[in-house]
Amino acid sequence: SAVISQKPSRDICQRGTSLTIQCQVDSQVTMMFWYRQQPGQSLTLIATANQGSEATYESGFVIDKFPISRPNLTFSTLTVSNMSPEDSSIYLCSVVTSGFSNQPQHFGDGTRLSIL
Amino acid sequence: TQLLEQSPQFLSIQEGENLTVYCNSSSVFSSLQWYRQEPGEGPVLLVTVVTGGEVKKLKRLTFQFGDARKDSSLHITAAQPGDTGLYLCAQLTTDSWGKLQFGAGTQVVVTP
Repeated sequence: SAVISQKPSRDICQRGTSLTIQCQVDSQVTMMFWYRQQPGQSLTLIATANQGSEATYESGFVIDKFPISRPNLTFSTLTVSNMSPEDSSIYLCSVVTSGFSNQPQHFGDGTRLSIL
Repeated sequence: TQLLEQSPQFLSIQEGENLTVYCNSSSVFSSLQWYRQEPGEGPVLLVTVVTGGEVKKLKRLTFQFGDARKDSSLHITAAQPGDTGLYLCAQLTTDSWGKLQFGAGTQVVVTP
């Protein structure tokens, strides 16, 4: 399985600022995803990070608020823009490593973000 | 998109007791994955069930997939404090390859 490094692991930010979260994988992967998770709750998919093209966003999430980059098959970034306290959450990246169906997603340990 | 209903939301039990978590849908699952997430970490896959009626065992964990592939359960025998975590069921969506839809999750706390 892939080893996923997510940075930073946590941060405390001021309202109105932006933070970029990095996701680095130790091997090339087919799919990369970004999720948001409130503590103790389930995961909500933000977007699919597409290599070399614009990310595919889920309903309720927009590119201006959550710009995503994926310059190659091992790296992606998620930016949380113009942050407000409502953005306080855990942000996770995940990857699928092969092209076969029913493959699991492998997750990073998440970025715990608190907005003051 | 079919909804995944997971129950209960929260379980608190003593070490040595048994517990069961359920995952249901009104529609047929193509397959179902179960994940466990421990505090401060990302979810980790426990098992994938594909065939109706399938039963899989992972040490003290038993996973069942309903004959009609509309429900699944996770049973833990003689729970230990190390079983504490958030248990999530997930299914592949039909609108995009590789994309998962997660249930609401069951927070399990096992006290010594």
